[in-house]
Amino acid sequence: RKEVEQDPGPFNVPEGATVAFNCTYSNSASQSFFWYRQDCRKEPKLLMSVYSSGNEDGRFTAQLNRASQYISLLIRDSKLSDSATYLCVVNNRDDKIIFGKGTRLHILP
Amino acid sequence: SAVISQKPSRDICQRGTSLTIQCQVDSQVTMMFWYRQQPGQSLTLIATANQGSEATYESGFVIDKFPISRPNLTFSTLTVSNMSPEDSSIYLCSVDRLAGGPPYEQYFGPGTRLTVT
Repeated sequence: RKEVEQDPGPFNVPEGATVAFNCTYSNSASQSFFWYRQDCRKEPKLLMSVYSSGNEDGRFTAQLNRASQYISLLIRDSKLSDSATYLCVVNNRDDKIIFGKGTRLHILP
Repeated sequence: SAVISQKPSRDICQRGTSLTIQCQVDSQVTMMFWYRQQPGQSLTLIATANQGSEATYESGFVIDKFPISRPNLTFSTLTVSNMSPEDSSIYLCSVDRLAGGPPYEQYFGPGTRLTVT
């Protein structure tokens, strides 16, 4: 099992819809989880940390499921500007962070 | 968040030559990181650079190929030596623990897009 796995997509979603994608991780001892956003030809930018109790930031909700070892990102009322690649990040056994390959999201007008 | 700049933003180089990439942060940070992102791939950590000590390289990366300098708490360089087309990639520097924040929350420079011909 890869350390961090994501569905590469692309997810093609009409504007205004809700979209969700998951990321699975292999290290059951991982403690730190993040979602980053990467626009085409740009650097990754931290979108949000993922806390055990789940957290919400505006239209974005992140959740952690330790039992099944995955994190999720939900985007409500999607905007054209949400089109990007979303990277899942988890710390591994060596206490290093590992980036997933990303899920591409296209919001369609 | 800190402002992180990289130079050059892009370059096209001939095989066998070397390129040094500079990373400047506008605040003092303990650790700086160098990543590579090959086309269609995710980020791979090359090494961690601490001021005053040798860089720590990840598996598959060696100092002879990717020498790193960290002369102070705001600056680092990564050199890609004896380049081959396989080194064509985006190279990114990053920092964490900004303003006493948590580890792992990383902030990236804009990247250097390298093409080796």
